[in-house]
Parts: sequence; structure tokens; C-alpha cells
Amino acid sequence: AQSVTQLDSQVPVFEEAPVELRCNYSSSVSVYLFWYVQYPNQGLQLLLKYLSGSTLVESINGFEAEFNKSQTSFHLRKPSVHISDTAEYFCAVSERRDTDKLIFGTGTRLQVFP
Amino acid sequence: NAGVTQTPKFQVLKTGQSMTLQCAQDMNHEYMSWYRQDPGMGLRLIHYSVGAGITDQGEVPNGYNVSRSTTEDFPLRLLSAAPSQTSVYFCASSYGQGGGITEAFFGQGTRLTVV
Repeated sequence: AQSVTQLDSQVPVFEEAPVELRCNYSSSVSVYLFWYVQYPNQGLQLLLKYLSGSTLVESINGFEAEFNKSQTSFHLRKPSVHISDTAEYFCAVSERRDTDKLIFGTGTRLQVFP
Repeated sequence: NAGVTQTPKFQVLKTGQSMTLQCAQDMNHEYMSWYRQDPGMGLRLIHYSVGAGITDQGEVPNGYNVSRSTTEDFPLRLLSAAPSQTSVYFCASSYGQGGGITEAFFGQGTRLTVV
């Protein structure tokens, strides 16, 4: 069965600094990969996803993630964060087979300071 | 366009009471799931369904029941509430593409407190 590891539970960073949120997964088959964001007291929103094709995927608000099959990673990066990026970020994986489960990591809380 | 609708938004139960959390989607998705979110533990899968009449257990199914009689609805039943079930519950419905979830849409959550 698939699993996801997010090693950093909290990442504090100053505004306009770069940030990387780490995600590693485990699976015996090919996978789809996702990053979801949860703003305070809200539900989850899809930030970006990797299904196939280019291993670098981007979101509309400046985040990007790169699928690295050899390192089984899907780290999320942003070159310059804003106060409004303060939120909890979840990495998730779905195996490409009929199990049809989406499994999440434990989340990383990004706190952006002025 | 309602998407995924969960009711209620908030609920307080006494230990031993039963209740049903409702989830409905209007996107004609085959796949639906229930998760619970607890601090430091992320979202953990409780039960999921790949279509009407088909359900399966996730990572933390004990104490919960589900059924899927229609494509649109996927209720979650707590049979005898316990304080350990205090959590925020999320319902999701999903696209699949030849095996595997290709995108999941979430409801706004139900905050449940068991006293």
C-alpha cells in the first residue's frame, strides 16, 4: 500500500524568502501525486498535481513541484513567499490501479513572518 | 454548482450516542471517501467507495459504518460515539482515470466533539 512522509511538521520563513516543503512517498506501482492547501478554518483546495508528462508542475500562485521517481519525492517550492501563503500543506498519493484511494501525509504548517 | 456538501458543520455528541454525517456530491463522481483530520496526523482515510453499492475500509475504519445506495450520497455513521472520535471530518469525491484518483474535491468539513 502507498504511504506519504512529510518530514517537516512546521516551516517558519520570512516574507519574500524561498521555501521548500518536502514530500516523499512509497509505492510498488506508478502513482499520481498531489499537493493540497488548507487555509485556517477552511477545507482543502488542490494546489497542483502530477499525473504524467513533464515532471515539473506549477500552480497559478507561484508554487511548483517536481516529481523525482528515483528519489520517490515530490517537493513543493516557491522562490518568494507572501504572508498570504501561511497555511497547512498536504502531500497526497494515489496509486495507478483500481484501489482508488488517496492517501495523505501528516501535513506541513507554513508560517510566513513579516 | 454545489460540489461536495457536508452536513452538519458542527456537532456535539455525548459518549454512546449515534449519529450520521451526511455527504452529497453533484458532480457524478464514482469515487467518494471519508477522512478525519487530527492535529499532527494529517488526513486519515476512514472508508471509501468506488461506486454505488461498493464500499471498503481505509486506514481507521473502527467505530464507523458507511453505505452507498446512490452515486450522489455517502453517509458516515458513528454507531456509539467515543471521545477519541472528536475530530474534523471531511468528505471527498473524486475523478478516476483508468485506476487511481486524478483529482479529489472536498467538502467544508464537520467539526465533531464527543463529550
